[in-house]
Amino acid sequence: AQSVTQLDSHVSVSEGTPVLLRCNYSSSYSPSLFWYVQHPNKGLQLLLKYTSAATLVKGINGFEAEFKKSETSFHLTKPSAHMSDAAEYFCVVSDKLNTGKLIFGQGTTLQVKP
Amino acid sequence: SQTIHQWPATLVQPVGSPLSLECTVEGTSNPNLYWYRQAAGRGLQLLFYSVGIGQISSEVPQNLSASRPQDRQFILSSKKLLLSDSGFYLCAWSRLAGVYEQFFGPGTRLTVL
Repeated sequence: AQSVTQLDSHVSVSEGTPVLLRCNYSSSYSPSLFWYVQHPNKGLQLLLKYTSAATLVKGINGFEAEFKKSETSFHLTKPSAHMSDAAEYFCVVSDKLNTGKLIFGQGTTLQVKP
Repeated sequence: SQTIHQWPATLVQPVGSPLSLECTVEGTSNPNLYWYRQAAGRGLQLLFYSVGIGQISSEVPQNLSASRPQDRQFILSSKKLLLSDSGFYLCAWSRLAGVYEQFFGPGTRLTVL
């Protein structure tokens, strides 16, 4: 069965410093992986996706993630945090064998301090 | 381009009252459709999904039901709301099962008093 674990429930960074949000996954086959962002009282917005092409995936707003099969990880990074990056971030794996349902991590709250 | 709409945006309902939340998708055909609930401080829970008109799969037993009367319309309902039904309800669509990402609507904040 597929699963995803976000290793930090809360991350705090200063504006202009790098962001690292950690995600490990478990899958019995080659997974599709996604990162979504959710601002308060808003829907989820897709940041980026990995679907077995390039292992380094670039997304919107300067975010990128690297698929590492040997480490079963898909960490999200950004070189320089902006105040507008403060939000909830979800790492997600697609259950290809079960109608493509998404399996969500519990989320990481990113706080950006001025 | 594709867009997804949900209404209402917010709703306050008394315990025991009925519920109807609507979701519509524009700009695509034969989408997979999903209803999620997000309780305060928690992750997303898949409630229902549909791969076609009249085809509904329920993920968890609960006080809610879903219907898909048209290709791009998905409705979440309840006959009698419980306090535990409070939460943020999100509708989503995807092109096909498997590798394709889901696109989410703006959500409905439901408070049951």
